[in-house]
Amino acid sequence: QVQLQQWGTGLLKPSETLSLTCAVYGGPFSDYYWTWIRQPPGKGLEWIGEIHHSGSTNYNPSLKSQFTMSVDTAKKQFSLKKTSVTAADTAVYYCARGSANGSGRKFDFWGQGTRVRVSP
Amino acid sequence: SYELTQPPSVSVSPGQTARITCSGDALPRKYAYWYQQKSGQAPVLVIYEDTERPSGIPERFSGSSSGTMATLTISGARVEDEGDYYCYSTDSGGDHRGVFGGGTKLTVL
Repeated sequence: QVQLQQWGTGLLKPSETLSLTCAVYGGPFSDYYWTWIRQPPGKGLEWIGEIHHSGSTNYNPSLKSQFTMSVDTAKKQFSLKKTSVTAADTAVYYCARGSANGSGRKFDFWGQGTRVRVSP
Repeated sequence: SYELTQPPSVSVSPGQTARITCSGDALPRKYAYWYQQKSGQAPVLVIYEDTERPSGIPERFSGSSSGTMATLTISGARVEDEGDYYCYSTDSGGDHRGVFGGGTKLTVL
């Protein structure tokens, strides 16, 4: 059974760097789009972007390239970084596995979520 | 930027049919996906590629799509189906640029 386990710093001060990592267990790493999604408190889901095992990326254009994703295929891990966080980055961050059919994506496995709070 | 529009809330009595809609200009050309999220939990995929149901999802969940609107139907809704439902798709460009709808809170009581 595929499992995604994520971790990262939960409490940040404004201007610090957000760093999250997601590890994949029990399934292949290749041929999937490894995705980050966030959810501010009391609000809906927001797609941040995805990274293929090859390293190619797609990001949410509304977030204006604020985020950077990377992948370590040897460890079956992928990561998310954002410099200079603000209070608006306070959210639960999820990693997910995206299975592709054309340009569509099916998120069939999710991490447990990491709560990130940005506070002075 | 591309948007998917959902009603904020839908309410039905147990046993009734709940329908949640999602509208978007690219839906005639792009698949819709539906996720259920219960309080404090990660979302769960309930419908993919407009009409397909993952294994383990009850048969009362079904999906359809026509023109610019996709619909999630829960036939014979149960109290345990309460939660937030999100549609997901991508815009009409070649690269994947994912978008979630604003979410619909389903109440069954």
